[in-house]
Amino acid sequence: EAQVTQNPRYLITVTGKKLTVTCSQNMNHEYMSWYRQDPGLGLRQIYYSMNVEVTDKGDVPEGYKVSRKEKRNFPLILESPSPNQTSLYFCASSSRDGYGYTFGSGTRLTVV
Amino acid sequence: AQSVTQLGSHVSVSEGALVLLRCNYSSSVPPYLFWYVQYPNQGLQLLLKYTSAATLVKGINGFEAEFKKSETSFHLTKPSAHMSDAAEYFCAVRKGGSEKLVFGKGTKLTVNP
Repeated sequence: EAQVTQNPRYLITVTGKKLTVTCSQNMNHEYMSWYRQDPGLGLRQIYYSMNVEVTDKGDVPEGYKVSRKEKRNFPLILESPSPNQTSLYFCASSSRDGYGYTFGSGTRLTVV
Repeated sequence: AQSVTQLGSHVSVSEGALVLLRCNYSSSVPPYLFWYVQYPNQGLQLLLKYTSAATLVKGINGFEAEFKKSETSFHLTKPSAHMSDAAEYFCAVRKGGSEKLVFGKGTKLTVNP
């Protein structure tokens, strides 16, 4: 089944403790992206990647890092999480045809 | 820069009534347009997409949307609402040649019995 898999689904952590949210897709998609969803703000792009070793900032990149060492994986790294990063995070991937992204099931992160 | 405006953060309809969710976009070039649905505690599911073919696009679950260039709109409609349609709906735009998907802030649809 074609899918984007994120882990974990739920995570509670403390301020300053580094964490990684994993994302993997099995569709051989070139493009991958991370979004955060906050009430009343919709989804905002954090980082995206056009292909292996090619990443760029989205609209809200502060406090986040990404890497794209393999085509299928695009982890999101929070080096020093803060409470304002409490949010629902989605990973997505897309082929070059521009016909839309496939989204993961989301990771609900709480930073206390 | 491209952007998306969804009119109405909350829409409430009666079961069996027409559903109309509004979306206006701004884009300097012909865009790709999408509607996604998010059911409670779930991810986003693609409802339908406009990619410069037919202006009236049919999607899943009886939804459709019409691309109107003159009005820069891509409103989502369904003739008869079901209780199972209760969810949050997001309009999104993707500029041709770009990979970036820009979302509106979402419209939460409530369906009353």
